[in-house]
Amino acid sequence: GAVVSQHPSRVICKSGTSVKIECRSLDFQATTMFWYRQFPKQSLMLMATSNEGSKATYEQGVEKDKFLINHASLTLSTLTVTSAHPEDSSFYICSVYFSATDTQYFGPGTRLTVL
Amino acid sequence: DAKTTQPPSMDCAEGRAANLPCNHSTISGNEYVYWYRQIHSQGPQYIIHGLKNNETNEMASLIITEDRKSSTLILPHATLRDTAVYYCILYSAGGYNKLIFGAGTRLAVHP
Repeated sequence: GAVVSQHPSRVICKSGTSVKIECRSLDFQATTMFWYRQFPKQSLMLMATSNEGSKATYEQGVEKDKFLINHASLTLSTLTVTSAHPEDSSFYICSVYFSATDTQYFGPGTRLTVL
Repeated sequence: DAKTTQPPSMDCAEGRAANLPCNHSTISGNEYVYWYRQIHSQGPQYIIHGLKNNETNEMASLIITEDRKSSTLILPHATLRDTAVYYCILYSAGGYNKLIFGAGTRLAVHP
């Protein structure tokens, strides 16, 4: 399967600051990536679909101005949590779509803690 | 909302086969059955997928009933490292479609 990395794996920040999370597709070019969020003891919730060279598509209830997504290259998508608050503390996971197998492959996740 | 139903938890003895069921009675003709698992504090891992024929790979086997309304993921010789949450997901092929995760089945493999 495809290899996907995320950076950082863990981040702790103060309330009101912004945090950028990177998602990289290491072994193929991905025109489409996805961002998910997972709260403790819950399942993954899709936040947005990131398309290379165009604006991301956000799921209902996800604030696009708060969660900025940039997919400027075929191997990198970034999620920026702006003006983070404690309720944004969560596990953020990206996936890349591999068209050859019509399968999504996931990164290892980034745990965000906002104090 | 997820279109699949899975038992919330299951237990399995190490070395034995783990059979994880999934009901998807409203599956449509172009939807595949995908299985992922998530080990604690990690991203989901792809396991296997199928349309209507049974599938096998190095990780597992997937058995889909003839009417496609249910399926079973089989881990032939479960190990402690197979302890995870297993997700059965319906996915429309041929495009960059969304994966909708349900609650999954928490499989505990014990010695």
